[in-house]
Amino acid sequence: DAGVTQSPTHLIKTRGQQVTLRCSPKSGHDTVSWYQQALGQGPQFIFQYYEEEERQRGNFPDRFSGHQFPNYSSELNVNALLLGDSALYLCASRGFTGELFFGEGSRLTVL
Amino acid sequence: AQKVTQAQTEISVVEKEDVTLDCVYETRDTTYYLFWYKQPPSGELVFLIRRNSFDEQNEISGRYSWNFQKSTSSFNFTITASQVVDSAVYFCALSVLNTGGFKTIFGAGTRLFVKA
Repeated sequence: DAGVTQSPTHLIKTRGQQVTLRCSPKSGHDTVSWYQQALGQGPQFIFQYYEEEERQRGNFPDRFSGHQFPNYSSELNVNALLLGDSALYLCASRGFTGELFFGEGSRLTVL
Repeated sequence: AQKVTQAQTEISVVEKEDVTLDCVYETRDTTYYLFWYKQPPSGELVFLIRRNSFDEQNEISGRYSWNFQKSTSSFNFTITASQVVDSAVYFCALSVLNTGGFKTIFGAGTRLFVKA
């Protein structure tokens, strides 16, 4: 039973570029959340997808957008990258009793 | 608005010592869920325990125990006889239900160092 998988694991971009991160949830899970974790900080909620729609959103600008596909996989897109966007981006799928199952994350470095 | 506070940024103990990680939460909801997650150096957060707001029973799982007290809005985590493998960052989290479904927020985490 595959857990949550994310790609790529590491990437380097320059300011102003755009990035797309991908996530496949744990088998049988239909709700996907994205979190941003800066170094030494706790995960910050970006948004959550269910039934291919954004259902909830945290305090992040419109530069952050996402998508969920019919197979429940999801993408996180960030436009016009800033230095402050450098972080570990975590994808999580929700279990049946509310716990989150996380991937290993995509570490984004913006130069 | 919801909030989770983990006042202890870092804790260092010697192996076999007991250690308690504190968590204080804020929410106006009467129904909510509390969690603890462990984040080892590899980066992947691992679920440890879930508690709902109507169940204040303490729980023990091996060397781990959790103390949930609604009166003080606290959900503390104790590791008994700590081991080097317990070294990690531990996060307390709060999940509430709103119009968009459940939303989970995390505290800033407590980094635990267990020295041999």
